[in-house]
Amino acid sequence: GAVVSQHPSWVICKSGTSVKIECRSLDFQATTMFWYRQFPKQSLMLMATSNEGSKATYEQGVEKDKFLINHASLTLSTLTVTSAHPEDSSFYICSASQGQTGNTIYFGEGSWLTVV
Amino acid sequence: GQNIDQPTEMTATEGAIVQINCTYQTSGFNGLFWYQQHAGEAPTFLSYNVLDGLEEKGRFSSFLSRSKGYSYLLLKELQMKDSASYLCAVTGTASKLTFGTGTRLQVTL
Repeated sequence: GAVVSQHPSWVICKSGTSVKIECRSLDFQATTMFWYRQFPKQSLMLMATSNEGSKATYEQGVEKDKFLINHASLTLSTLTVTSAHPEDSSFYICSASQGQTGNTIYFGEGSWLTVV
Repeated sequence: GQNIDQPTEMTATEGAIVQINCTYQTSGFNGLFWYQQHAGEAPTFLSYNVLDGLEEKGRFSSFLSRSKGYSYLLLKELQMKDSASYLCAVTGTASKLTFGTGTRLQVTL
């Protein structure tokens, strides 16, 4: 079964509103989670690294005030898209690692965001 | 910085063998992943290489040469359901993945 759960799977919101996406690690603690964005027919682009108990680290070009990340517990990270615009419509997906070795990275199911 | 290149699209025939190449230039290397992704779905883990050589897993094999910054994914006995995007990703520090552009594979009859 899934070891990383993401919610909601899809969401439609109006321009100017905010929407929150949750990423949960199931049965393991994740001090670090990652948020990616994927536009149609493109690859996954890392947006930010979510660090439990501290500020997220954003990739170049990603607006930290627009994409708010909170990692308040060892099993939950949230991504809030603030003042959403139609160009924010995308597939957002998170990942978390269960161990120290590289092959223990798990992805959430992804969240489709449509801003109308 | 990170630079990962893959062919954008490939087409192959059902039952055939196809090799998808990936070249990378990264600052720091802690392993290379291959993922399969069907449209609208999350990536599915296929393989992980951290040492040079070939890793075989059923119909899928992955090869890595760290000195050349090169990897390939080999798919044998292609099936229609293998039509998908194949993503090469490199991890440098911790579990942070940098993805290549992805290769869309179309399997035809």
